[in-house]
Amino acid sequence: EAQVTQNPRYLITVTGKKLTVTCSQNMNHEYMSWYRQDPGLGLRQIYYSMNVEVTDKGDVPEGYKVSRKEKRNFPLILESPSPNQTSLYFCASSSRQGDSYNSPLHFGNGTRLTVT
Amino acid sequence: GQQLNQSPQSMFIQEGEDVSMNCTSSSIFNTWLWYKQDPGEGPVLLIALYKAGELTSNGRLTAQFGITRKDSFLNISASIPSDVGIYFCAGHLLQGGSEKLVFGKGTKLTVNP
Repeated sequence: EAQVTQNPRYLITVTGKKLTVTCSQNMNHEYMSWYRQDPGLGLRQIYYSMNVEVTDKGDVPEGYKVSRKEKRNFPLILESPSPNQTSLYFCASSSRQGDSYNSPLHFGNGTRLTVT
Repeated sequence: GQQLNQSPQSMFIQEGEDVSMNCTSSSIFNTWLWYKQDPGEGPVLLIALYKAGELTSNGRLTAQFGITRKDSFLNISASIPSDVGIYFCAGHLLQGGSEKLVFGKGTKLTVNP
């Protein structure tokens, strides 16, 4: 089954304790992206990657890191989490069509992170 | 950055009613997408629109890509309880050699049986 898999689904942690949220897709997609969803703010892009070893900042990258060592995996790293990073996080991927990345995103089921 | 203005923010309707929501922007987009998010899950694509003026249906859902390429609407006919969720529009933008997908803030739909 084609899917984007995020782990964990739920995570409660304390301020400053490094954490990683994993994301894996089995569709051989070139493009992967991380979003956070907060009430009233919709989906905001954190980082994205157009292919292996290529990553770029989205709209809200502060406090986050990513890596793209393999095509299928795109982990999100919080080196020193803070309470304002409490949010619902989504990983997404899409394929490339010619020179465009405008094919629809496939989303994972989300990771609800609470930082106390 | 670019913004999509999605309205309404929320809707409370009775089962069987038709629903309409829309997104507008000051920017021109080359693709419009509509997603639905069920509680506790990730957004799922409903309809993708690739050409200005395009009108596309998916069951009870109909969406259109505005002629100006700056807006899109989504209609749901004869709503049912399982239509409950948050609906997001998204526009794909080419800007200065880079590409960006911009999301609206969502329309939360509640359907009363």
